[in-house]
Amino acid sequence: AQTVTQSQPEMSVQEAETVTLSCTYDTSESDYYLFWYKQPPSRQMILVIRQEAYKQQNATENRFSVNFQKAAKSFSLKISDSQLGDAAMYFCAYRSATGGGADGLTFGKGTHLIIQP
Amino acid sequence: DAGVIQSPRHEVTEMGQEVTLRCKPISGHNSLFWYRQTMMRGLELLIYFNNNVPIDDSGMPEDRFSAKMPNASFSTLKIQPSEPRDSAVYFCASSPRYNEQFFGPGTRLTVL
Repeated sequence: AQTVTQSQPEMSVQEAETVTLSCTYDTSESDYYLFWYKQPPSRQMILVIRQEAYKQQNATENRFSVNFQKAAKSFSLKISDSQLGDAAMYFCAYRSATGGGADGLTFGKGTHLIIQP
Repeated sequence: DAGVIQSPRHEVTEMGQEVTLRCKPISGHNSLFWYRQTMMRGLELLIYFNNNVPIDDSGMPEDRFSAKMPNASFSTLKIQPSEPRDSAVYFCASSPRYNEQFFGPGTRLTVL
């Protein structure tokens, strides 16, 4: 079974600064997907960014980028120019690709990101 | 597109009562997932369907939990009888194959 570990229960950053959230995972599979989801107080789960394991290039979405280290099984999220609206819980998630890409997600416990004005 | 629709948004019930949560996936998505979120256990996958067929229900905690997907546009998660430890937020998500999952707003269930 796969596991996802987020070692930072809470992080705090000043507005406009950069913050990095950590995520490690354990799997014996070679093909999979990794995701970061954001959950604001409204509790809606919002996809931030995705990474296919077969791609060496790190995914980027505007101010959000990842550092994907497949050998180290590490998948960190970098948020540049932090904004007040970035305050939320952030969840790292793993999805196997062996089931035809239609498997469920395995989530980490989450990191609570606080943005200081 | 309206996104994934869940009802009710909030449910308060008494121990022993039957609870039914409902989900309408995004049209065209052929995979549907039910998750539960609690402070103690985080986000857990309960069950998922591909093309209306249950594929993996190993996350369903007990026989009191059951899920159905009678057609491509509707799914239910039923708890009978409910217990206080079932209190949680239940999410439904749908996905086109090989792609990311889109989550509904969740149902907050409180069992007294």
